Amino acid sequence: EAGVAQSPRYKIIEKRQSVAFWCNPISGHATLYWYQQILGQGPKLLIQFQNNGVVDDSQLPKDRFSAERLKGVDSTLKIQPAKLEDSAVYLCASSLVTSGRDEQFFGPGTRLTVL
Amino acid sequence: AQSVTQPDIHITVSEGASLELRCNYSYGATPYLFWYVQSPGQGLQLLLKYFSGDTLVQGIKGFEAEFKRSQSSFNLRKPSVHWSDAAEYFCAVSEYGNKLVFGAGTILRVKS
Repeated sequence: EAGVAQSPRYKIIEKRQSVAFWCNPISGHATLYWYQQILGQGPKLLIQFQNNGVVDDSQLPKDRFSAERLKGVDSTLKIQPAKLEDSAVYLCASSLVTSGRDEQFFGPGTRLTVL
Repeated sequence: AQSVTQPDIHITVSEGASLELRCNYSYGATPYLFWYVQSPGQGLQLLLKYFSGDTLVQGIKGFEAEFKRSQSSFNLRKPSVHWSDAAEYFCAVSEYGNKLVFGAGTILRVKS
């Protein structure tokens, strides 16, 4: 079974530039998550989708971050414009459903460096 | 709001020695608790989880964890550490709707 795929794996940009990350979840997984992991911290949930609807985006900085999950499969996370403090690893995860008990499977992440 | 505390930022153990990583949580109801491991450049891999029932939970790679409600703890243990166990370990608690709240992580170093 293929795991969660993410691209690119690494990205370096200047501040105020835009960047987009892509995630392809495990086939059949209805729920998709984007986490931000800043160096030295645990992952923090940015947004959670159930199929193509948003379940939780309470910690997404909506003035600069946006995310979509078209057709309930792939998802993109965009930052525009980027700030220095956005330097982090962006992890995508997926799970079958949303029950609190379901294992979340994580992709390898995209490491973003903002200069 | 839920929170997870991992008091140890770094831990160094000798290969073959026992290991215990500490985790304390703050949550009003019975929590769903998880331990994940992250190797450099890799995503997180689930080691074990606790939902209810037996408070001693067995996981993959020889790890186990014990849920202690009275201490609000969910410590991870392994009787004999291997060099390949060197990684970062995250404790997490699940909120309603499967949202995971993670601790800051503990980096495990294994010396030969």
